[in-house]
Amino acid sequence: AQSVTQLDSHVSVSEGTPVLLRCNYSSSYSPSLFWYVQHPNKGLQLLLKYTSAATLVKGINGFEAEFKKSETSFHLTKPSAHMSDAAEYFCVVSDRDTGKLIFGQGTTLQVKP
Amino acid sequence: EAQVTQNPRYLITVTGKKLTVTCSQNMNHEYMSWYRQDPGLGLRQIYYSMNVEVTDKGDVPEGYKVSRKEKRNFPLILESPSPNQTSLYFCASSSRSGRTYNSPLHFGNGTRLTVT
Repeated sequence: AQSVTQLDSHVSVSEGTPVLLRCNYSSSYSPSLFWYVQHPNKGLQLLLKYTSAATLVKGINGFEAEFKKSETSFHLTKPSAHMSDAAEYFCVVSDRDTGKLIFGQGTTLQVKP
Repeated sequence: EAQVTQNPRYLITVTGKKLTVTCSQNMNHEYMSWYRQDPGLGLRQIYYSMNVEVTDKGDVPEGYKVSRKEKRNFPLILESPSPNQTSLYFCASSSRSGRTYNSPLHFGNGTRLTVT
């Protein structure tokens, strides 16, 4: 069975410093992986997705993620945090057999001025 | 504008009073799904639909019903709401068909339901 674990429930950074949100997955084969962002009172928006092409995936708003099979990780990064990045972030794995999406528990990113 | 529209955004009701949360998408998507979001639990799937008249249970279907009579609409029905159904609900749609696994979901803005 596939699963996804977000290693931090809360991350706090200062504006202008790098962001790292960690995600590990468990899968018996090469998965499809996504990062979604949820701003307050909004639905989830796709940031980026990995589907077995390039291992470094670039998304919207300057975010990127690197698929590392040896470490079963798909961490989300951004070189310089902006106040508008404050939100909740979800790492998601897609089950290749059923198409079902499995969500991590979410990481709340706080950005301090 | 491509979007998924849920109504209402906020709903307060009492135990046992039937309610419906509507969901509509204008992207001609085959796949639609309902999720509930609870603190510390992420999103859990309630029901999903692969196409018109095709629905199936997700992880937490108890106490909920859905229907898919038209491609664009996928209402969520609570026949007899209980306090443990107090949650934030999201409808989502996707162009995925069959078992394609890499099409992203488009989400509505959510419905916050309180059952007293």
